[in-house]
Amino acid sequence: GAVVSQHPSRVICKSGTSVKIECRSLDFQATTMFWYRQFPKQSLMLMATSNEGSKATYEQGVEKDKFLINHASLTLSTLTVTSAHPEDSSFYICSVRRGQDTQYFGPGTRLTVL
Amino acid sequence: QKEVEQNSGPLSVPEGAIASLNCTYSDRGSQSFFWYRQYSGKSPELIMSIYSNGDKEDGRFTAQLNKASQYVSLLIRDSQPSDSATYLCAVNVLSRDDKIIFGKGTRLHILP
Repeated sequence: GAVVSQHPSRVICKSGTSVKIECRSLDFQATTMFWYRQFPKQSLMLMATSNEGSKATYEQGVEKDKFLINHASLTLSTLTVTSAHPEDSSFYICSVRRGQDTQYFGPGTRLTVL
Repeated sequence: QKEVEQNSGPLSVPEGAIASLNCTYSDRGSQSFFWYRQYSGKSPELIMSIYSNGDKEDGRFTAQLNKASQYVSLLIRDSQPSDSATYLCAVNVLSRDDKIIFGKGTRLHILP
């Protein structure tokens, strides 16, 4: 498997502020990480693919200027939700790919924007 | 047709019985198939991966793959209340740059 951590696990912020979420691969070097969002009782939605040393690739409909991704090292990717609004409240989960396509998920970050 | 389809459930199964979860996919070129379990408020955890036609068994879990029918299933034997969760089917989709795409999940409820 793979061990993936996220920080923070839970964050509450005021509308208009920016929030940074960290995703760390603890036991191997990940050139690719993925960011997902999950609204209550909904499926996982892939937001973007984070590539070490290069720009992230975003899925259709995801605003790259609102969801800033930085994959500065082989063990760390960050997602910054800029100028967060209540509709951004969701469960954000990162994952790393290891082996033949297998993905391992972090524990997730629950964001609540007031 | 959706890329990965699952019945949302809930699927109710008596404790000790076999739970059968089904998934269909649209991309005939898909090669990698996964089942994840997600408890409420938690992130998904990998249960099984399968790449070849046929059955793959791991403890109480058996994954079944039929590429001709574009169908993958998960059987849970001797179901326990702790198996109550949402089960996500995931498939690599070549038309989406080989990304892993998840179904919406099936809610499973094991009745004590």
